[in-house]
Amino acid sequence: DGGITQSPKYLFRKEGQNVTLSCEQNLNHDAMYWYRQDPGQGLRLIYYSQIVNDFQKGDIAEGYSVSREKKESFPLTVTSAQKNPTAFYLCASLLGSEAFFGQGTRLTVV
Amino acid sequence: AQTVTQSQPEMSVQEAETVTLSCTYDTSENNYYLFWYKQPPSRQMILVIRQEAYKQQNATENRFSVNFQKAAKSFSLKISDSQLGDTAMYFCAFMETFTSGTYKYIFGTGTRLKVLA
Repeated sequence: DGGITQSPKYLFRKEGQNVTLSCEQNLNHDAMYWYRQDPGQGLRLIYYSQIVNDFQKGDIAEGYSVSREKKESFPLTVTSAQKNPTAFYLCASLLGSEAFFGQGTRLTVV
Repeated sequence: AQTVTQSQPEMSVQEAETVTLSCTYDTSENNYYLFWYKQPPSRQMILVIRQEAYKQQNATENRFSVNFQKAAKSFSLKISDSQLGDTAMYFCAFMETFTSGTYKYIFGTGTRLKVLA
């Protein structure tokens, strides 16, 4: 089946460690997005990419990094510079004007 | 910067009744898209309805309809005949298109809707 796969569903990391969240899509979509969801703050845009090897910072890019080496993959790295990384992370891809979302990754930093 | 504002953090409605969720946005662009997405407890985001800014006619999808007021930059969602399955977080979203061909997709803070039996 076509879709967006985020893994893992739950992730625990120690403070100060970098961690990479996976996002893979087999929908052949060009545009992909990463959002962070916190209670009361909705979805905030971290990074987005329209084509391979190109990406733009969103509204809260500090402490995060991405790569887009393949059309199908858009991994997000949460670095130790991110002050409050515990959150729910959503990846999406875009076809026309409709965004298709993965199931999300809940990251907890202890 | 473009912003999307949802001023109702929580709402409730009796089953079979009608409820309206509010959304305002700010942009200097003339061409853009507006959306309502639903996020049930499973946290899977689902597109409910979309509106293209150049279309004056309000979009409708079964029990869901919008009131798009372009001059006022307002985009409200009306849910008719509310069902228990409508209980979810609802996000208003905005997409702008840059001349470079990139698409920035931003969301509001959400309205948590509870449908009461």
